[in-house]
Amino acid sequence: GENVEQHPSTLSVQEGDSAVIKCTYSDSASNYFPWYKQELGKGPQLIIDIRSNVGEKKDQRIAVTLNKTAKHFSLHITETQPEDSAVYFCAASREAGRRALTFGSGTRLQVQP
Amino acid sequence: GAGVSQSPSNKVTEKGKDVELRCDPISGHTALYWYRQSLGQGLEFLIYFQGNSAPDKSGLPSDRFSAERTGGSVSTLTIQRTQQEDSAVYLCASSSGGTNEKLFFGSGTQLSVL
Repeated sequence: GENVEQHPSTLSVQEGDSAVIKCTYSDSASNYFPWYKQELGKGPQLIIDIRSNVGEKKDQRIAVTLNKTAKHFSLHITETQPEDSAVYFCAASREAGRRALTFGSGTRLQVQP
Repeated sequence: GAGVSQSPSNKVTEKGKDVELRCDPISGHTALYWYRQSLGQGLEFLIYFQGNSAPDKSGLPSDRFSAERTGGSVSTLTIQRTQQEDSAVYLCASSSGGTNEKLFFGSGTQLSVL
């Protein structure tokens, strides 16, 4: 089955700096790669996703890049703000909507004001 | 509200007892997932229901775990003879199914087995 590895496990940045979280996956048939943000005491919430036919996707301060050859994808957050502090999870699936997602172990991001 | 609702939010039980966790998905969502989140860990897939199809139970860690979904809506996750290693947050998510991949998660049930 799919295996997703995520790093770093914790990340501390100064407000205004950029943050990068990286994930690798094992199943070359995976074609859907979402990122979820989990705030304290809440369930994860989708923030951005990318499919394997696209190399990069951007939404305001958030961007995701995908390298299918190397089987890794990354989340980039620019101009970080204190409200970006949360746990971020990457995930992968080979048949989005028909198979469960395999999640990474999470990255705790802390943005220092 | 119109989100995924889970109950109870917290459950403390003694080792060996059975527990039932409930999930009310978003109305009209045909797909329902259960995940487990241990302290400081990622989300571990447990079981997936899609419409009237047979559920994908491949993530259930042992035969002490079971889940059902009645009438294509509410789901109950049952853990029999609970063990201390079952302590975790149990998260339920739903989606509109088909090729729509976005999952909507509930806030979870924090299970503590003493």
